Amino acid sequence: GAGVSQSPRYKVAKRGQDVALRCDPISGHVSLFWYQQALGQGPEFLTYFQNEAQLDKSGLPSDRFFAERPEGSVSTLKIQRTQQEDSAVYLCASSLAFQGAAFFGQGTRLTVV
Amino acid sequence: DAKTTQPNSMESNEEEPVHLPCNHSTISGTDYIHWYRQLPSQGPEYVIHGLTSNVNNRMASLAIAEDRKSSTLILHRATLRDAAVYYCILYSLSFGNEKLTFGTGTRLTIIP
Repeated sequence: GAGVSQSPRYKVAKRGQDVALRCDPISGHVSLFWYQQALGQGPEFLTYFQNEAQLDKSGLPSDRFFAERPEGSVSTLKIQRTQQEDSAVYLCASSLAFQGAAFFGQGTRLTVV
Repeated sequence: DAKTTQPNSMESNEEEPVHLPCNHSTISGTDYIHWYRQLPSQGPEYVIHGLTSNVNNRMASLAIAEDRKSSTLILHRATLRDAAVYYCILYSLSFGNEKLTFGTGTRLTIIP
């Protein structure tokens, strides 16, 4: 596709429910990033892949958060046993390796009730 | 990660130039200066980046101080569509450390 695509755009989850957020990066982009953005704040780094290798997961807030990119293309961010503090916009970005200019999707707004 | 400092907010009149400042006094020699902007309900959008020399593209210009401790994003003729949060980010090209670290940015308001 022409840009980074994320689905769903909106997700409402009951507290304790598991959720899976999908990211389709730009074709050919080696690097893929996940960010979390709380209301009124800048995006916070969660994790980063180069192809299928997860090179940095230092931003994942707890072991309830898990990300994968098994074939080096589509990525899924999974949150287990969601809690209210997980409510945020989750952004995915992709880039050519070491090129710096990252392209972001529109994000998935997760609301935990 | 090296940090950047930006004003929380700025206002500008439509069709006038806008100069958005950024201080990065702890920048290292290998850090690139990147600017992104985020429109309401959108993901961040790449604007421009540079290392030492001033840079121009169709969206904006980037002026980098000689000592690289500060930079200025210049929008030559602001339109209402330029109203957004602008982020100045230092980006280091090193294997396994490609992440962009966002601050709180500058919220730019354009006055019609």
